[in-house]
Amino acid sequence: DAGVIQSPRHEVTEMGQEVTLRCKPISGHNSLFWYRQTMMRGLELLIYFNNNVPIDDSGMPEDRFSAKMPNASFSTLKIQPSEPRDSAVYFCASSPGTFNTGELFFGEGSRLTVL
Amino acid sequence: AQSVTQPDIHITVSEGASLELRCNYSYGATPYLFWYVQSPGQGLQLLLKYFSGDTLVQGIKGFEAEFKRSQSSFNLRKPSVHWSDAAEYFCAVGGSGGSYIPTFGRGTSLIVHP
Repeated sequence: DAGVIQSPRHEVTEMGQEVTLRCKPISGHNSLFWYRQTMMRGLELLIYFNNNVPIDDSGMPEDRFSAKMPNASFSTLKIQPSEPRDSAVYFCASSPGTFNTGELFFGEGSRLTVL
Repeated sequence: AQSVTQPDIHITVSEGASLELRCNYSYGATPYLFWYVQSPGQGLQLLLKYFSGDTLVQGIKGFEAEFKRSQSSFNLRKPSVHWSDAAEYFCAVGGSGGSYIPTFGRGTSLIVHP
């Protein structure tokens, strides 16, 4: 069975450019999470969706970040404009439920470098 | 607010030796507790979880963890470490507002010597 699929795996861009990260959750999972991992701050929850609806976006660092989930099989995290401090590994994770499973299935991550 | 402390940034053990990774949490009620493992270049994988019941929890790959409420701890153990266990290990706590969604610790990097 396919796991959570993220693309691109690596992205190098210049400051000011728009970055779009993509995620395909595991089929049948109805919760989706975006995390950011850095050496300085560790793993941070940015936003999560339940049944395609954003439930909590309090972790989104600022207005430059936006996330969408237009359908159950696709989500995007967009940064516009990007800044060097956005350099990190961005993980998408999905889960069969919000309140009754406790297990997140992670993708392999998208490593973003902003020059 | 819930939080997790993993006091050891790095742990080095010899292959075949026993392992204990420490985790302390802060949470007002009964927490949901997790251990995840991250191999280089990979996403996180759940090793085990505690929601309620028996305080000694068995997980995959021969790992176990014990919930000690009095010490606010959830330490991860393995009796005999294999070289393939070298990875980053994350403790996480959830339960705030009725949701299990985990808050992660900073991680402990496990180095295994042959």
